[in-house]
Amino acid sequence: EILLTQSPATLSLSPGERATLSCRASQSVAFYLAWYQQKPGQAPRLLIYDATKRATGIPARFSGSGSGTEFTLTINGLEPEDFAVYYCQQRSHWLTFGGGTKVEIK
Amino acid sequence: QLHLQESGPRLVKPSETLSLTCAVFGGSINSTSNYWGWIRQPPGKGLEWIGTLSSRGRTYYSSSLKGRVTISFDTSKNYFSLNLNSVTAADSGVYYCARHSLPDTSELDYWGQGALVTVSS
Repeated sequence: EILLTQSPATLSLSPGERATLSCRASQSVAFYLAWYQQKPGQAPRLLIYDATKRATGIPARFSGSGSGTEFTLTINGLEPEDFAVYYCQQRSHWLTFGGGTKVEIK
Repeated sequence: QLHLQESGPRLVKPSETLSLTCAVFGGSINSTSNYWGWIRQPPGKGLEWIGTLSSRGRTYYSSSLKGRVTISFDTSKNYFSLNLNSVTAADSGVYYCARHSLPDTSELDYWGQGALVTVSS
């Protein structure tokens, strides 16, 4: 099973700042990595797929990068609605999710 | 616009079977363009893939749950189902149905709102 490790566990930032979230895979997943946003009481929402492609309707402030085992989700200019938990997910070998990064208001 | 809706008992006794259905609106589970999946989330924890169903009925299950889980569909009624047997308290959580964006175990682009299931006597 491919393990995904997300860091940091919690990121404390102010609105307008840049958020940089990391996801590391235990073995190469090529570019088969997605990012989701989840708010309390809601289902996850797909943000990024294939490491760098924004899903339909996702604002341009969200961007993904990386390949192989190291991936990054960047949120440029945090909006109040961006404070949430973010998960990465690989589909190279079945599906596994990372443990999540909580982006909280500082 | 595609919409998925989970339904089923919210309280299940230990050792019994958890059964949920996912109704699909605004799209067909017969479509060869997508697969359909179940994901769960224990209270306060992260996401876990349970399994996936293809439009032709082929199933793929998480190795950690294989042997206890069955996913199937009813194309005439446009829904698919999850059965998880021999449940324990560790199986409590929110169960989501979702659509894979491609006809494989790809990312999940549409999700139901989730069904909170508690395993307790």
